[in-house]
Amino acid sequence: GENVEQHPSTLSVQEGDSAVIKCTYSDSASNYFPWYKQELGKRPQLIIDIRSNVGEKKDQRIAVTLNKTAKHFSLHITETQPEDSAVYFCAAHDYKLSFGAGTTVTVRA
Amino acid sequence: NAGVTQTPKFRILKIGQSMTLQCAQDMNHNYMYWYRQDPGMGLKLIYYSVGAGITDKGEVPNGYNVSRSTTEDFPLRLELAAPSQTSVYFCASSQGGDSNQPQHFGDGTRLSIL
Repeated sequence: GENVEQHPSTLSVQEGDSAVIKCTYSDSASNYFPWYKQELGKRPQLIIDIRSNVGEKKDQRIAVTLNKTAKHFSLHITETQPEDSAVYFCAAHDYKLSFGAGTTVTVRA
Repeated sequence: NAGVTQTPKFRILKIGQSMTLQCAQDMNHNYMYWYRQDPGMGLKLIYYSVGAGITDKGEVPNGYNVSRSTTEDFPLRLELAAPSQTSVYFCASSQGGDSNQPQHFGDGTRLSIL
């Protein structure tokens, strides 16, 4: 089955700086890669996703890149703000979603 | 349009008790999922369904059962609660026809087994 590894597990950035989270996956059949943001005690919420026929996707301050050959994908958050503090999960979809273990992002004011 | 609704929000069970976690969606989604999230961890798939009458096991199905008699509802049953089942349970749904669609999550059920 699919195995998704996510790094780093924690990330502390100064407000206004960029944050980068990286994930690798094992199953070359995976073709859909969503990213979820989860605030403390809340549900995971989709923030951006990318399909395997696309190399990069951007939505305002958030971007995701996908390298199918290397089987890794990354989340980039620019101009971080305090409200970006949360746990972020990557996932890869072959016949089901497999989640990474999460990255706790703290934005320091 | 309420999305995915889970009940109850919190529950404390004694070891050996049974209960059903309810999940309903009003988006006419064919695909529904149950995950558990242990503290500080990602989500692990328990069971999923691709349509009414069809269910299949995920990564961690032991100790759980599901049914899918309607498109809207996907209850998760714990028959003999064990402390290892203390977790937050999330139900999710996604649009049918193409499984590579965004999953929409409910607010979760926080379950403690004592």
